[in-house]
Amino acid sequence: EPEVTQTPSHQVTQMGQEVILRCVPISNHLYFYWYRQILGQKVEFLVSFYNNEISEKSEIFDDQFSVERPDGSNFTLKIRSTKLEDSAMYFCASSEAQRDMPLSSYNSPLHFGNGTRLTVT
Amino acid sequence: QQQVKQSPQSLIVQKGGIPIINCAYENTAFDYFPWYQQFPGKGPALLIAIRPDVSEKKEGRFTISFNKSAKQFSLHIMDSQPGDSATYFCAARQGSTLGRLYFGRGTQLTVWP
Repeated sequence: EPEVTQTPSHQVTQMGQEVILRCVPISNHLYFYWYRQILGQKVEFLVSFYNNEISEKSEIFDDQFSVERPDGSNFTLKIRSTKLEDSAMYFCASSEAQRDMPLSSYNSPLHFGNGTRLTVT
Repeated sequence: QQQVKQSPQSLIVQKGGIPIINCAYENTAFDYFPWYQQFPGKGPALLIAIRPDVSEKKEGRFTISFNKSAKQFSLHIMDSQPGDSATYFCAARQGSTLGRLYFGRGTQLTVWP
């Protein structure tokens, strides 16, 4: 079964440094997402991305964050200047879209990767 | 503001028992309610999902019960097995917002053999 792959599995960085988390979504999927999970807490939405632009972003996704699809397969999350509170598990997800289906009736499931554990010291 | 409230935080049952995990929501615009299962070191994986136009959905040993008027839904695991030990998250999504899921805080289920 196709899966979402994320690299690296664990990233340690110093406060103030830039990090890039990488994801390869499932090949025929068109919608891409980043979520994060602070240890012991719920999974939180960061951003969704479709057609090479951000569809929606949460209040967490401030100017320190950016996303990019640099080529036909990768989807990246960049944190410009990491803070201690950015330490979390970051999950990439993708979903299949059907362009002619109304959004209100569209329920394609999200497929999550295994995450990148980011530790900011 | 917590969009989806989940309880209990943890649950321990014996093999063969029927653990029940409950979720409640406030936003009546939510129209898709999935449950995710997460094993340690893995990402959440979709288990089962329901739309508010049905009151129950069953897939194998997993059943969602949905009460639209009470704005509550629950997951029942029949004949639970040690391999079901995992963290379970309920979630909700508003149809007009493709993909953005609001997750509950999770329930850590332990099934003893």
